[in-house]
Amino acid sequence: GAVVSQHPSWVICKSGTSVKIECRSLDFQATTMFWYRQFPKQSLMLMATSNEGSKATYEQGVEKDKFLINHASLTLSTLTVTSAHPEDSSFYICSARVYEDTEAFFGQGTRLTVV
Amino acid sequence: AQTVTQSQPEMSVQEAETVTLSCTYDTSESDYYLFWYKQPPSRQMILVIRQEAYKQQNATENRFSVNFQKAAKSFSLKISDSQLGDAAMYFCAYRSGALNFGNEKLTFGTGTRLTIIP
Repeated sequence: GAVVSQHPSWVICKSGTSVKIECRSLDFQATTMFWYRQFPKQSLMLMATSNEGSKATYEQGVEKDKFLINHASLTLSTLTVTSAHPEDSSFYICSARVYEDTEAFFGQGTRLTVV
Repeated sequence: AQTVTQSQPEMSVQEAETVTLSCTYDTSESDYYLFWYKQPPSRQMILVIRQEAYKQQNATENRFSVNFQKAAKSFSLKISDSQLGDAAMYFCAYRSGALNFGNEKLTFGTGTRLTIIP
């Protein structure tokens, strides 16, 4: 299967600062990327869907000004958590797919801890 | 909106035995895809198997097979000859078959934690 690389794998930041998470498709061009959030022992909750070159579509209840998503190229999407607070601590996972394909490939996830 | 239900929060099976994980879903669409993903302790999501709704034949991948009952909206996963490496969270997921932006997202169930007993 195709490879999606997510960086960093884990990050600790101070409350009030911003942190950026990168999601790269290494061997294919991803027309669509997805960002999920997963709390401990829970399922994946979709935060937003983005197509290359256009604005992301956020799920209901997700603050678009807090979770900035940029999909500037067919191989890179970034999620920036702005003014992070301890309640933003979570596991964030990205996935990517080619438009014609039904399968989405997942990154390895990023564990964010806000102290 | 589509929903996916996994009614078994936890399951356990003896090594080398067979276990079946349940999944039901609700949709008004006729064209869709169903998936089983595995999330081991590393938390990397791994696709186990997928099923196209228009196919009557149940999908099979080595020791993994599904029982797809479209009328009943049921999609169970059978793991044969369970191995220690099968221990993980298993998520059932639904995706619309319509290739329009906004329909591409996966809807996940709440997961089943599978424990393999040596």
